[in-house]
Amino acid sequence: ELVLTQSPATLSLSPGERATLSCRASQSVSSYLAWYQQKPGQAPRLLMYDVSKRATGIPARFSGSGSGTDFTLTISSLEPEDFAIYYCQQRNNWIFTFGPGTKVDIK
Amino acid sequence: QVQLQESGPGLVKPSETLTLTCTVSGGSISTYYWSWIRQPPGKGLEWIGYIYYSGSTKYNPSLKSRVTMSVDTSKNQFSLKLSSVAAADTAVYYCARVDLMTTFDYWGQGTLVTVSS
Repeated sequence: ELVLTQSPATLSLSPGERATLSCRASQSVSSYLAWYQQKPGQAPRLLMYDVSKRATGIPARFSGSGSGTDFTLTISSLEPEDFAIYYCQQRNNWIFTFGPGTKVDIK
Repeated sequence: QVQLQESGPGLVKPSETLTLTCTVSGGSISTYYWSWIRQPPGKGLEWIGYIYYSGSTKYNPSLKSRVTMSVDTSKNQFSLKLSSVAAADTAVYYCARVDLMTTFDYWGQGTLVTVSS
């Protein structure tokens, strides 16, 4: 069973700072790694897919990287609307798995 | 623009069956896979399963014995049945479209289902 681990659990930063979020898989996975943003009371929104491709309408300050078991979501300069919870997600053997999430909050 | 809307009872008694329907508008349900995902209050996301417009399904192994999904292409709807529910099944249930069989690109707003007597 594939397990995704995200770190840190909480990231406290100020607007304008760079955010680096980590997602680690328990086994080497394919490039089907996605990231979602969720704000309180809202459904998750797709940010990135296939590790590094931005979904429609996602600003360029969001970027993704990684391979194998280690993946990273980077927000180059935090905007006020970026403070939210971020989940990574992978598909392995036709089963979908989400990580536990990283909360990015205002310092 | 594709839109999804969940509907169904907000309260289900323990041991009974939870039934939800997702109505897809702005696009055809055909040619895509469709999924159910849930989120207990204050917790993370759990994938429940997916269904193809043809009716083929795949379920999360942890829920497989209790889950049934179906599709009605004439109504552009797909449904979830979760049997023998308990308090641990209390969650916001989302329906979502599966894109490229790898990601969830369109989501419903979610519906809270509480399991309580």
